Amino acid sequence: KQEVTQIPAALSVPEGENLVLNCSFTDSAIYNLQWFRQDPGKGLTSLLLIQSSQREQTSGRLNASLDKSSGRSTLYIAASQPGDSATYLCAVNSGNTPLVFGKGTRLSVIA
Amino acid sequence: SAVISQKPSRDICQRGTSLTIQCQVDSQVTMMFWYRQQPGQSLTLIATANQGSEATYESGFVIDKFPISRPNLTFSTLTVSNMSPEDSSIYLCSVGGAGQPQHFGDGTRLSIL
Repeated sequence: KQEVTQIPAALSVPEGENLVLNCSFTDSAIYNLQWFRQDPGKGLTSLLLIQSSQREQTSGRLNASLDKSSGRSTLYIAASQPGDSATYLCAVNSGNTPLVFGKGTRLSVIA
Repeated sequence: SAVISQKPSRDICQRGTSLTIQCQVDSQVTMMFWYRQQPGQSLTLIATANQGSEATYESGFVIDKFPISRPNLTFSTLTVSNMSPEDSSIYLCSVGGAGQPQHFGDGTRLSIL
């Protein structure tokens, strides 16, 4: 059974810092890995999707990498802003199976 | 990307009652998913809803408690039946998969008194 772990559970940084969020999964036979953002009381916003054949994806200040063989992904956020404060969720699936989520990293960026 | 609308956005219900949550997508999709997010927890899949067939429920979730309808390729409903305080959660509808990003609605925040 696939399990997804995210470290750290919470992170507080001053504005402007670069930061890395970590995600690991137990079964490397994944099809996709997806990073989401969730604001308090809200739904999920898809940030980046990495297919199993890809090593990384970039969108603006966000860069996600995937090392499928070691079961790891990182989300790099450059020049963090207070508006980046949210919970970041990592999720993986295999083919047509539903996503399996980690518990998330709660990020606070302090102005 | 698909635009997903969920109704209601939030509700406060009495125990023992039932609530039906609606999910409308702006394009035809094969698979729709229903998730639950309990307070302080991550998302747990309740069931997968395919048009024209019975929903497939995950371990720990049963049709009598969470009946699902999928009448067409753009719409689905989830009913939370005979509610108890333990059902207080955010319920989320999602579409996507098979190599494409999975997208979520804004969720329904449900509180049971």
